Amino acid sequence: AQKVTQAQTEISVVEKEDVTLDCVYETRDTTYYLFWYKQPPSGELVFLIRRNSFDEQNEISGRYSWNFQKSTSSFNFTITASQVVDSAVYFCALTLDTGRRALTFGSGTRLQVQP
Amino acid sequence: ETGVTQSPTHLIKTRGQQVTLRCSSQSGHNTVSWYQQALGQGPQFIFQYYREEENGRGNFPPRFSGLQFPNYSSELNVNALELDDSALYLCASSTPDRLGTDTQYFGPGTRLTVL
Repeated sequence: AQKVTQAQTEISVVEKEDVTLDCVYETRDTTYYLFWYKQPPSGELVFLIRRNSFDEQNEISGRYSWNFQKSTSSFNFTITASQVVDSAVYFCALTLDTGRRALTFGSGTRLQVQP
Repeated sequence: ETGVTQSPTHLIKTRGQQVTLRCSSQSGHNTVSWYQQALGQGPQFIFQYYREEENGRGNFPPRFSGLQFPNYSSELNVNALELDDSALYLCASSTPDRLGTDTQYFGPGTRLTVL
């Protein structure tokens, strides 16, 4: 069975600080997909990124960047120059390439960005 | 916005009652997945429907059941409600892409409270 661990329960930063959210995953499959979702107070999960297990290139999208390292089974998420609007709960998730492709989520990291 | 809608937004029921939650998938999506998110936790997979057939189920008892209709909208039914069923119920729609996998896009959720 697969597992996703987000050890940071809550992080508080001051606006403009950089912050990294950690994600460690476990799976015996060689083909899998990793995701990050953002959940603002409204409750809706907002898709941020998907990576497959064969693509270890890091990705940057504006102030967001992701570092995928298979050697350490990690898929970390960095927000540069954080803003108050980044305040939310962030979830890392994993799905396999076979079968139903259900998402296995971590427990989430609550990010609070103070003005 | 993802184009995934859920109704109702909030619902209050008493223990032992039955409830039906509804989800309309994003246009062009043929797969609907349901998740239960208890307070302070990550979403847990309930089941998935693909082209009107159940395509996998998580660790939930049979009193959780579902349907998918020809227009790919879906219902989640929960019988004999228990206090622990109080949660945010999230619906996600998706469709396999050219790589054969999919990204799930979530609706705003239904907040169910069981008294």
